[in-house]
Amino acid sequence: AQKITQTQPGMFVQEKEAVTLDCTYDTSDPSYGLFWYKQPSSGEMIFLIYQGSYDQQNATEGRYSLNFQKARKSANLVISASQLGDSAMYFCAMREDYGGATNKLIFGTGTLLAVQP
Amino acid sequence: ETGVTQTPRHLVMGMTNKKSLKCEQHLGHNAMYWYKQSAKKPLELMFVYSLEERVENNSVPSRFSPECPNSSHLFLHLHTLQPEDSALYLCASSRDRDVNEQYFGPGTRLTVT
Repeated sequence: AQKITQTQPGMFVQEKEAVTLDCTYDTSDPSYGLFWYKQPSSGEMIFLIYQGSYDQQNATEGRYSLNFQKARKSANLVISASQLGDSAMYFCAMREDYGGATNKLIFGTGTLLAVQP
Repeated sequence: ETGVTQTPRHLVMGMTNKKSLKCEQHLGHNAMYWYKQSAKKPLELMFVYSLEERVENNSVPSRFSPECPNSSHLFLHLHTLQPEDSALYLCASSRDRDVNEQYFGPGTRLTVT
């Protein structure tokens, strides 16, 4: 069975500083995908970044980067130059590739990030 | 705006009521999903529809009944719910059922009294 673990229920960061949100995963499948989503207080889940298990490079999207360490089964999200608007819940998720089957995402419990001025 | 809308945004219903949640996507996607988000628990996938056909039912109680009349609309019909069904219900869509990115709606906050 696959599992996503986010060990930080809450994090504080000063505006303009970088922050790392931790995510570890467990799967026996060689092919999988890892995602980070942001959920502001308004409720919608916003896709941030994706890393495939066979990708050689760490994914980056603007101020977001994913620190993918396959041997450790970790996929930490790094947010550089934090902004007040980054305050939200952040969810790590994983998709196992069944091959022609449904795109099922398994989510972690989330980390609440508060950016302080 | 993600291109996925949900109505209502908030719903309070008694255990004997019947109500429906609506989701609409304006992205031309072929797959749609219902998730349940309870406090302090991971998101739980409930149902998946691909090209209007249900392809996944994650052992959801029969008091939740999904309906997908076309690829743009997804409903979740609710009847005789329990207080523990109170949660945020999120709808999502993706281009196809095996692509990477899912786009989520803002959710319906459901309270069962």
